[in-house]
Amino acid sequence: SQTIHQWPATLVQPVGSPLSLECTVEGTSNPNLYWYRQAAGRGLQLLFYSVGIGQISSEVPQNLSASRPQDRQFILSSKKLLLSDSGFYLCAWSKGSWYGTEAFFGQGTRLTVV
Amino acid sequence: GQQLNQSPQSMFIQEGEDVSMNCTSSSIFNTWLWYKQEPGEGPVLLIALYKAGELTSNGRLTAQFGITRKDSFLNISASIPSDVGIYFCAGQTQTGANNLFFGTGTRLTVIP
Repeated sequence: SQTIHQWPATLVQPVGSPLSLECTVEGTSNPNLYWYRQAAGRGLQLLFYSVGIGQISSEVPQNLSASRPQDRQFILSSKKLLLSDSGFYLCAWSKGSWYGTEAFFGQGTRLTVV
Repeated sequence: GQQLNQSPQSMFIQEGEDVSMNCTSSSIFNTWLWYKQEPGEGPVLLIALYKAGELTSNGRLTAQFGITRKDSFLNISASIPSDVGIYFCAGQTQTGANNLFFGTGTRLTVIP
């Protein structure tokens, strides 16, 4: 069966510090991978998605970047965090076909920038 | 991205009552998904719908894919305290990998 792991679960970082969140998927190959952000009490905002190694698409301009160094690894990064980067970050995967498939989420990372 | 309107935004109900929430869009979707998110956790998929008019159940949960393909609803029968959480609808188009759009969520509180 497929599983998705996301870490760390919580993170408190000072403004201006770097960020690295990691997500890995097991039990499948060539998944679509996604990073979402969820502000408190709000819906899910798609930040990045990837259909393959080294292929990253950004949905919104921001202070963050994403990378996919391996087929089942997706990393969310920032060189210098802003207060507005605080939120709940969710990694998700779906099967590598264009439609008719579900997305499955990791447990999330609660990021607080202080 | 595309906008999904989900209502109600929040619900307070007594244990044992039935719950109904819905999601509408101005666009046509090929798939509708319903997720539940508990505090501090990622959303968990509850039901997936693939055909217009489809009615699918998962225990006490029932969801339907609207005939127009622009809406979907989720019903929870005989609610229990563990039903508490935020329920999200999501619509999926067929074009591209960035094809899953989420509603704003319905926060459900069940009063014992």
